[in-house]
Amino acid sequence: KAGVTQTPRYLIKTRGQQVTLSCSPISGHRSVSWYQQTPGQGLQFLFEYFSETQRNKGNFPGRFSGRQFSNSRSEMNVSTLELGDSALYLCASRLAGGPTDTQYFGPGTRLTVL
Amino acid sequence: AQSVTQPDIHITVSEGASLELRCNYSYGATPYLFWYVQSPGQGLQLLLKYFSGDTLVQGIKGFEAEFKRSQSSFNLRKPSVHWSDAAEYFCAVGAASGGSYIPTFGRGTSLIVHP
Repeated sequence: KAGVTQTPRYLIKTRGQQVTLSCSPISGHRSVSWYQQTPGQGLQFLFEYFSETQRNKGNFPGRFSGRQFSNSRSEMNVSTLELGDSALYLCASRLAGGPTDTQYFGPGTRLTVL
Repeated sequence: AQSVTQPDIHITVSEGASLELRCNYSYGATPYLFWYVQSPGQGLQLLLKYFSGDTLVQGIKGFEAEFKRSQSSFNLRKPSVHWSDAAEYFCAVGAASGGSYIPTFGRGTSLIVHP
């Protein structure tokens, strides 16, 4: 069974632009979560989607948004990019979204904002 | 709000030695607790998790962790470290929300293994 895939793997943008990252969960998984990892702030939870609905959201500004499609694939969007948005963005999926389900992570998208 | 403290930024052990990575959390209710490992070739991977029940939790790769409510701790242990265990380790606490949880991560402990 294929793992969690994220595209693109690397991305370079300039300040003020917007970016969309994509995540394909493991087949059959209905919960997708997004995380941001930076040297300064560490690992931080962005949001979780389950059955196309945002179930939980972390403490990030409204420039960060996401959505989930009927096939459970998810995208996250960052508008008006800032230098501080440079980070590794990780996506993770779980089977039914219950708290006891094991979470599987993708390899991440490395975003650099210039 | 919940928080996690991993007091050790770096830990160095010799291959074959035992390992204990410390994790202290702050959360008002019974927490969901997790340990993750991140290495360059493997990405981020869940080692083990605690939700309820037996306070000694077994995970993958020979790791275990013990939940001690009185000490607000969830320390990770391994009896004999292998060179391949060199990686970054993250402890996390999950606050129940919306049928799932919102995780908060510690800053991580970097494990260095000497041959």
